[in-house]
Amino acid sequence: QLQLRESGSGLVKPSQTLSLTCAVSGGSINSDAYSWSWIRQPPGKGLEWIGYIYHSGRTSYNPSLKSRVTISVDRSKNQFSLILSSVTAADTAVYYCARSYKGGAAYYYFYMDVWGKGTTVTVSS
Amino acid sequence: QSVLTQPPSASGTPGQRVTISCSGSSSNIGSKTVNWYQQLPGTAPKLLIFSNNQRPSGAPDRFSGSKSGTSASLAISGLQSEDEGDYYCAAWDDSLNGLIFGGGTKLTVL
Repeated sequence: QLQLRESGSGLVKPSQTLSLTCAVSGGSINSDAYSWSWIRQPPGKGLEWIGYIYHSGRTSYNPSLKSRVTISVDRSKNQFSLILSSVTAADTAVYYCARSYKGGAAYYYFYMDVWGKGTTVTVSS
Repeated sequence: QSVLTQPPSASGTPGQRVTISCSGSSSNIGSKTVNWYQQLPGTAPKLLIFSNNQRPSGAPDRFSGSKSGTSASLAISGLQSEDEGDYYCAAWDDSLNGLIFGGGTKLTVL
């Protein structure tokens, strides 16, 4: 059974860099069928997709965050990571990693079918 | 304000049928498939419906999805107390070039 688990810095100072890792177990990250996504949820608010990566390293980012986001993959460790630079209080959220599926032409199908439990990141001095 | 519009709240009594709407545009729902996620209190979201009306393995058949034009709906029949939580629709948006979520609907079982 595929499981994802987020880990990383729980408290980050404003203007610094947030760094999280998602460890994948019970399955391989080296699948052409799936990509690996990050999603976040500010306290009391809705979900926001951050971006995804394939095992090949190909990425797609939310345009609103693109200038500050880097998602990378470590195939040898079966994990992928999120870096978000120049953080502010608005980046305080629960961050989820998930397996995502893209199918059809032009993202006709795109959904996340397996999610991690999430990790809380607080931006504060 | 989200690109996909959902009612902020919905409610029903046990056993009732409840529907949650999701309104979008031609650049998202009108040209892509819609997915629904269930988030129970204090837990991570879970895929409930994908590709407009498909249930993943393990999702109860009390949940069903539909789409017409630029709108989609999630229907829950035989409402149960454990269905209480937040429900989000989502679809890819060509104009924004990214995945977008609705603002979420908080379902209360009275």
